[in-house]
Amino acid sequence: DVKVTQSSRYLVKRTGEKVFLECVQDMDHENMFWYRQDPGLGLRLIYFSYDVKMKEKGDIPEGYSVSREKKERFSLILESASTNQTSMYLCASSYWNEQFFGPGTRLTVL
Amino acid sequence: AQSVTQPDIHITVSEGASLELRCNYSYGATPYLFWYVQSPGQGLQLLLKYFSGDTLVQGIKGFEAEFKRSQSSFNLRKPSVHWSDAAEYFCAVVDEQGAQKLVFGQGTRLTINP
Repeated sequence: DVKVTQSSRYLVKRTGEKVFLECVQDMDHENMFWYRQDPGLGLRLIYFSYDVKMKEKGDIPEGYSVSREKKERFSLILESASTNQTSMYLCASSYWNEQFFGPGTRLTVL
Repeated sequence: AQSVTQPDIHITVSEGASLELRCNYSYGATPYLFWYVQSPGQGLQLLLKYFSGDTLVQGIKGFEAEFKRSQSSFNLRKPSVHWSDAAEYFCAVVDEQGAQKLVFGQGTRLTINP
C-alpha cells in the first residue's frame, strides 16, 4: 500500500514564525502536491512538484514556498506565518492521475 | 477553466436508507473522474475512479458511481448507508492542463441519523 506521511498531525505556531510542514511518500511517485482545506472551500492547490527540484505554483501560492530535494520528500514552508494561514494542510503523491493523501496537518497560527 | 460542482453542501440520511451524492463537471474531452471520502480529522481516501469503459463503476465500502456524459455528471450512490459512512465526500476531475493535477468540488458532508 502507498503510504504518505506528514510530520505532524497538529501544530500551533505564533504569527511571524517560520513553519515547515514535511511530507514523505514511500512509492517512488514523481508528482507530489500540497493543498490547504478550509470549510466551504474544498481543497485548494498551493504548490505541486513533478520531479526533484522542480516545482509549480498552484492556485494559492502566496505566502508559501516549497522544497523538494529528494524524490520522496516534499516540504511546505511558511516563511512568516500569519493567522489567515490557520488551516488543514494535506499532502498527496500521485501515480497515473490517482492521488494518495497523507493524514493532514492541522495548523493553528496564533 | 474546468470546474466541479457538488450542489449539496450537507446531506442527512437515516441509517439503512439509500444515498445519492451529486457531482457535475465541466471538461472538454473524456474526463478522468474520482470520488474521495474524508473521515473527520483524516486525509482523503479514494472510493472509486472512472477512466474509460463501463460507465457504472464499483468502489470500496459498497459505493458505486455512474458516469453520464450527456449530463456531465458522476453521481455517487450506495443502496444502504451505515453509521460509519458519515464523512465528507469529494468529487474530482483530472485537470486538462496535465501534471496529474486534480480539480476538486467543494465537498458534501454526510450525516447519518440512527
